[in-house]
Amino acid sequence: EVQLVESGGGLVQPGRSLRLSCAASGFRFDDYDMHWVRQDSGRGLEWVSGISWNSGSILYVDSVKGRFTISRDNAKNSLYLQMNSLRPEDTALYYCVGVGRIFGRNWFDPWGQGTLVTVSS
Amino acid sequence: QSALTQPASVSGSPGQSITISCTGTSSDVGGYNFVSWYQQHPGKAPKLMIYDVSKRPSGVSDRFSGSKSGNTASLTISGLQAEDEADYYCSSHTTSATYVFGTGTRVTVL
Repeated sequence: EVQLVESGGGLVQPGRSLRLSCAASGFRFDDYDMHWVRQDSGRGLEWVSGISWNSGSILYVDSVKGRFTISRDNAKNSLYLQMNSLRPEDTALYYCVGVGRIFGRNWFDPWGQGTLVTVSS
Repeated sequence: QSALTQPASVSGSPGQSITISCTGTSSDVGGYNFVSWYQQHPGKAPKLMIYDVSKRPSGVSDRFSGSKSGNTASLTISGLQAEDEADYYCSSHTTSATYVFGTGTRVTVL
């Protein structure tokens, strides 16, 4: 069974840091580019960051550049998101998502169930 | 990196057809045939419904179809059913090699 399981979310004060993790199973992890997509209850889905299968290409949405760092460990079938200098507007449910670019795909599938990040004092 | 524009809500009676639009620019929707659509029920993760503008993944009902004209993509749900009541999001690859989502549409079955 294909599965992505996120962890590491929680309540954190503005300006502090948090590290999200995503454990993949049931598919060949290093065949997939991996992404983080977040969802604020009021603003829908937002693509946050993506990393290619071999970590050779990394991209971020403008609002998190310089604060968030995406990384992966193919040996551990894991994806990470280091979030520094957190702001209240970063509050959201963060999804770990795969894109099979190596197969010429440009759509998001599979999806995890999400981990909730709340930034508040 | 502005979100793609979708109507906030669309409604229809059972059996009817509805269409959700997704408007972007030549840097995203209009520039690639890489538009995808996702269905999201409350408390659930999004589910892929359409990819590459008009293709359906295995297991998705053929009542769902997609198309594109210029900078606007569309998702049509025919033979509307109660289970189709959900939020729908479009997404596109962009010229910056990033991705952008639509603002989301709440579909209500009357």
